[in-house]
Amino acid sequence: NAGVTQTPKFRVLKTGQSMTLLCAQDMNHEYMYWYRQDPGMGLRLIHYSVGEGTTAKGEVPDGYNVSRLKKQNFLLGLESAAPSQTSVYFCASSRWDQETQYFGPGTRLLVL
Amino acid sequence: GDSVTQMEGPVTLSEEAFLTINCTYTATGYPSLFWYVQYPGEGLQLLLKATKADDKGSNKGFEATYRKETTSFHLEKGSVQVSDSAVYFCALNAGGTSYGKLTFGQGTILTVHP
Repeated sequence: NAGVTQTPKFRVLKTGQSMTLLCAQDMNHEYMYWYRQDPGMGLRLIHYSVGEGTTAKGEVPDGYNVSRLKKQNFLLGLESAAPSQTSVYFCASSRWDQETQYFGPGTRLLVL
Repeated sequence: GDSVTQMEGPVTLSEEAFLTINCTYTATGYPSLFWYVQYPGEGLQLLLKATKADDKGSNKGFEATYRKETTSFHLEKGSVQVSDSAVYFCALNAGGTSYGKLTFGQGTILTVHP
């Protein structure tokens, strides 16, 4: 099993450009999450999903959109990137009846 | 709202030293508590957890006890190794309508020298 994978690993954007980060999991987990990690601030939840076709806002959702068209995939979109979105983005997944989350390796995004 | 506070880092130790990383929390109800570890260049992975007061989580020589009276979940290890160098995150799951969502502390960088 690959677990949780993220694409791409690293990306540089110019302000105003758009991009989509892809998260895939092969553990048949119901719940999926997107976090951002910034120095000194830990991880903050951007959006999450409790099942295919459903999404909800987390702590810092502004400037991001998400979609969960398939159970195994969770997409994070930036419509118009800003320098404040420079961060490391982590995807995670979990079973609906368990609290342990499984994390991907992260995507490092630099917005110039 | 829910929050987690960890001791400021970075922490630098010599091999075989004793490790303590402090973690305190604020939450309504009875949260579950976690320690996650992030090795260089990798994602987070669960190190240990405790789901109710007085529970002790343990793994790989690390331990933490859920102390409701002091709202703490301090991480300890009796003898650290160079391979323990990583970033350690304390986190909570408040349960209820927040089930599944983790609230993280800011992370503590640990460096162990030979």
